Amino acid sequence: GAVVSQHPSRVICKSGTSVKIECRSLDFQATTMFWYRQFPKQSLMLMATSNEGSKATYEQGVEKDKFLINHASLTLSTLTVTSAHPEDSSFYICSARNEAASGYTFGSGTRLTVV
Amino acid sequence: SQELEQSPQSLIVQEGKNLTINCTSSKTLYGLYWYKQKYGEGLIFLMMLQKGGEEKSHEKITAKLDEKKQQSSLHITASQPSHAGIYLCGAAYNNNDMRFGAGTRLTVKP
Repeated sequence: GAVVSQHPSRVICKSGTSVKIECRSLDFQATTMFWYRQFPKQSLMLMATSNEGSKATYEQGVEKDKFLINHASLTLSTLTVTSAHPEDSSFYICSARNEAASGYTFGSGTRLTVV
Repeated sequence: SQELEQSPQSLIVQEGKNLTINCTSSKTLYGLYWYKQKYGEGLIFLMMLQKGGEEKSHEKITAKLDEKKQQSSLHITASQPSHAGIYLCGAAYNNNDMRFGAGTRLTVKP
């Protein structure tokens, strides 16, 4: 079945540094990928929609200059958290729209801790 | 998502009991998805419903989508400790992005 690989699964970084998270569709092409954030005891909140070859669409309240999204190919989207601060610590998860299967495939998530 | 309301927020049941989780949308759904998650881990896909009146079952879990495609329920029969976790309903409104309900934290007491 369709698989989305997300790396890293866990990352700890120092405040002020940047962190890149990768999301790859392994056996299908994904023109659209989505990035979510989940805080403790909360649901998944959509941050942005990543479109291959074009700019990402960000949800209201999400800083596009802080959360840089690049979707340079049909199988890879990256989320870079720039100048990370402790309040950015969260669980980030991506998903890819699988047109052939009319569904969404999720990555396994990345736990980011900013110290 | 403000468009999607999920209830209850938490549920504690005795092993062997049945339970129902509801998901209500303020707009007509293109598709309704049910997932299970243990916090901090990925999502486990349970079921997808697209047609009004559709019902699907897998093992002891049954999900339904109403005729108007604005409400879905997830029913677990004879719950077991392995059913414990966070249940999330996700809604696709325009065949594009998916928005999630607040989630239901299920605890099954042995």
